[in-house]
Amino acid sequence: GQQLNQSPQSMFIQEGEDVSMNCTSSSIFNTWLWYKQDPGEGPVLLIALYKAGELTSNGRLTAQFGITRKDSFLNISASIPSDVGIYFCAGQAGTALIFGKGTTLSVSS
Amino acid sequence: GAVVSQHPSWVICKSGTSVKIECRSLDFQATTMFWYRQFPKQSLMLMATSNEGSKATYEQGVEKDKFLINHASLTLSTLTVTSAHPEDSSFYICSARALRGGPTDTQYFGPGTRLTVL
Repeated sequence: GQQLNQSPQSMFIQEGEDVSMNCTSSSIFNTWLWYKQDPGEGPVLLIALYKAGELTSNGRLTAQFGITRKDSFLNISASIPSDVGIYFCAGQAGTALIFGKGTTLSVSS
Repeated sequence: GAVVSQHPSWVICKSGTSVKIECRSLDFQATTMFWYRQFPKQSLMLMATSNEGSKATYEQGVEKDKFLINHASLTLSTLTVTSAHPEDSSFYICSARALRGGPTDTQYFGPGTRLTVL
């Protein structure tokens, strides 16, 4: 099925560093979502974006809905060890979600 | 709020047998539930969309006779993998859409079910 282009595929950072990841699509989406998935568990919603240009924060996380409605980014500031996991972007058009391939984040203390 | 559960959390079965996975929205009603499959180190792929009281809509390439979906109530959807084979081994995740009647309807995901077919 259709997928989003999510980058980077993986990141290895030191605790305290900031992180940035993004997703792009050839299709327009009405909603962009960012999820975090820990091993063996389902995705947990981090941030939901509903308007083009919208910038939303959730604690140390900040995400933006691109003006073209074809892209979004997620920033994590001052990373901590528990930020480790796989981060997925998802675009929504209608009721279905289209997921990116994920960004695996590793944080060393 | 917005908790989705799945049962079982993992299951091992013999090739040729059928396995049923339940997805429940615990504290909200969900007219729409979704079933995803995730292979190791890959993303979630939508298999089907399940609407309460009607037939499920399957994504292209997903065999509806092999993956039977029943959405009998506003809080329960089931996925039955019939005549399972080793290639069906995967992580199956459901999500439920909290109905608020607008663009902010959010999908909440269950914890997933690990299926291993021997």
